[in-house]
Amino acid sequence: EAGVTQFPSHSVIEKGQTVTLRCDPISGHDNLYWYRRVMGKEIKFLLHFVKESKQDESGMPNNRFLAERTGGTYSTLKVQPAELEDSGVYFCASSQVWGQGRAEAFFGQGTRLTVV
Amino acid sequence: AQSVTQLDSQVPVFEEAPVELRCNYSSSVSVYLFWYVQYPNQGLQLLLKYLSGSTLVKGINGFEAEFNKSQTSFHLRKPSVHISDTAEYFCASLREYGNKLVFGAGTILRVKS
Repeated sequence: EAGVTQFPSHSVIEKGQTVTLRCDPISGHDNLYWYRRVMGKEIKFLLHFVKESKQDESGMPNNRFLAERTGGTYSTLKVQPAELEDSGVYFCASSQVWGQGRAEAFFGQGTRLTVV
Repeated sequence: AQSVTQLDSQVPVFEEAPVELRCNYSSSVSVYLFWYVQYPNQGLQLLLKYLSGSTLVKGINGFEAEFNKSQTSFHLRKPSVHISDTAEYFCASLREYGNKLVFGAGTILRVKS
């Protein structure tokens, strides 16, 4: 069974450009989460999809970030325009049931974004 | 509000020695607790989790953790580490019925030969 897959693994872009990160969750997992780790600090929650609906986007830093989940399958996270402080590692996770306490959340390997 | 504090940013230890990675949590409501590991160039992998019941939780790769409600701690231990345990370890909490993990800042475990 394939795990959570993220593309690309690394991305280096200039300030002001646009970048789109993609996450393919484990097949059948309705719940999809985005997290971000900036500069070796804590990993922080960005948002949570249940199927194609945004359940919770309280962690999205500002309106330069746009997340979508087409048809409840893969998800994209677009940053437009990118700023220097957006650099970090973006993790995607998926789980079968609501609330990760009763199930394991499986994480992808992350996308390392560097804005120069 | 929830928070998780990992008291050590780096822990160096010699191979076959025991290790303890410390984690304290703060929450006004019941939480579940987790330890994740990130090996170099890999994603986060669940080591173990505490949901309820026995306060001593055993995980993969010989790791275990003890939930201590009075001290609000969830320290991770291994009696004898290997070089292959070199990685970054994250403690995390999840509010009961919640949907977002709250992570600590991570502890880098460096196992030396």
